[in-house]
Amino acid sequence: QSVLTQPPSVSGAPGQRVTISCTGSSSNIGAGYDVHWYQQLPGTAPKVLIYRNTNRPSGVPDRFSGSKSATSASLAITGLQAEDEADYYCQSYDSTLSGSWVFGGGTKLTVL
Amino acid sequence: EVQLLESGGGLVQPGGSLRLSCAASGFTFSTQAMSWVRQAPGKGLECVSTISGTGDIFYADSVKGRFTISRDNSKNTLYVQMNSLRADDTAVYYCAKRRDSGTRNYRDWYFDLWGRGTLVTVSS
Repeated sequence: QSVLTQPPSVSGAPGQRVTISCTGSSSNIGAGYDVHWYQQLPGTAPKVLIYRNTNRPSGVPDRFSGSKSATSASLAITGLQAEDEADYYCQSYDSTLSGSWVFGGGTKLTVL
Repeated sequence: EVQLLESGGGLVQPGGSLRLSCAASGFTFSTQAMSWVRQAPGKGLECVSTISGTGDIFYADSVKGRFTISRDNSKNTLYVQMNSLRADDTAVYYCAKRRDSGTRNYRDWYFDLWGRGTLVTVSS
């Protein structure tokens, strides 16, 4: 049970826009800690997609964008492509107990 | 080329030990914070341990007292010694480089480079 809650799955047709939510609380996102997003293609290691809430590393298409507000964050993907089919994870820091970097449970994106 | 290469995974009995290594190349290893992140079969990601460039160490509660992270900057290599292994430690273990997101707060570090992972299976 992750402290960051993501929907288990989302889907969309090629060309469409989808969003993936990441809901936290006052001990993580709501405390002002940054949210980062990772893409994990099947059988591969995760790759950073968005860092510090809204920033894209070089090489990441501008079809991917991030936002953050209050105790939640979202990843939006526009112009959906077949190669976007992957698992997506949000990540932040949680200050409960001894504190730790935490991930959401992950969202499987299916391109129809 | 900037890369991380893990090794040392395998099958171990419950209660046993294993040491994983991660060879880094293409960047100044000694100044970078590094982490071990694991992923149980079909499950999500868990950051189990982090060591900063200055030697500060962090552990997830799930491995505290059983895992020990260390680094050899002369060999550009990260390690994790895993003792008292349990079935729920079964996972792919990834080595990952940490990066400051720009806030200069270690809590905002993210994982900007990942290795391919090494599988650890704890079973009798």
